[in-house]
Amino acid sequence: QVQLQESGPGLVKPWETLSLTCNVSGGSINSDYWAWIRQPPGKGLEWIGDVHYGGSTNYNPSLKSRVTISIDMSRKHFFLKLASVTTADTAVYFCGRGKTGSGHFLELDPWGQGTLVTVSS
Amino acid sequence: DIQMTQSPASLSASVGDRVTITCRASQTIGRYFNWYQQKPGRAPNVLIFDVSTLQVGFPSRFSGSGFGTEFTLTINDLQPEDFATYYCQQTYGVPRTFGQGTKVEI
Repeated sequence: QVQLQESGPGLVKPWETLSLTCNVSGGSINSDYWAWIRQPPGKGLEWIGDVHYGGSTNYNPSLKSRVTISIDMSRKHFFLKLASVTTADTAVYFCGRGKTGSGHFLELDPWGQGTLVTVSS
Repeated sequence: DIQMTQSPASLSASVGDRVTITCRASQTIGRYFNWYQQKPGRAPNVLIFDVSTLQVGFPSRFSGSGFGTEFTLTINDLQPEDFATYYCQQTYGVPRTFGQGTKVEI
């Protein structure tokens, strides 16, 4: 079964770029959508965006000017870059698979365990 | 953006109770609607997808219903392991928005 694991720095300085990698194991990355979601401490879930295995992307308009999501199918990784971070970007960042049906994004399953990224100088 | 309004934000219940959580979408979303369960310090897990399909591994005391813009999660015979936060999500449009969450506590 597919498993996901996030990796990347746990501390990022203000105005720098947050970069995370999600490793996909136990299954193919050559299908479905691959998504990033975040959760500030003590708060709810925010969908950041996703990349289709074919390469097309969708972003949350609230973050679109700062976000880039990409995929490397040969290495079974997908990536999140969030530029010009502030303390408001401190959160647990999750990656997830967006299962598809008839080409449409259905549900997020599975999720990675999440990684806490703190923005601080 | 499609707004998802979830209620209540929290509720207090006892073992054996029946619990109902509601989620309202700001526009029609068809059946592109899911519920997730999240326990403290853990990633969310999909609980119900496609409005009413129960994910493998979850007990049948969980059920989902609804259509169009109004959706409901019902937990019958609440068990200690059900105390968690529940989120709804629509995947009809982009951004694929979540509700604010409902914390079910004792």
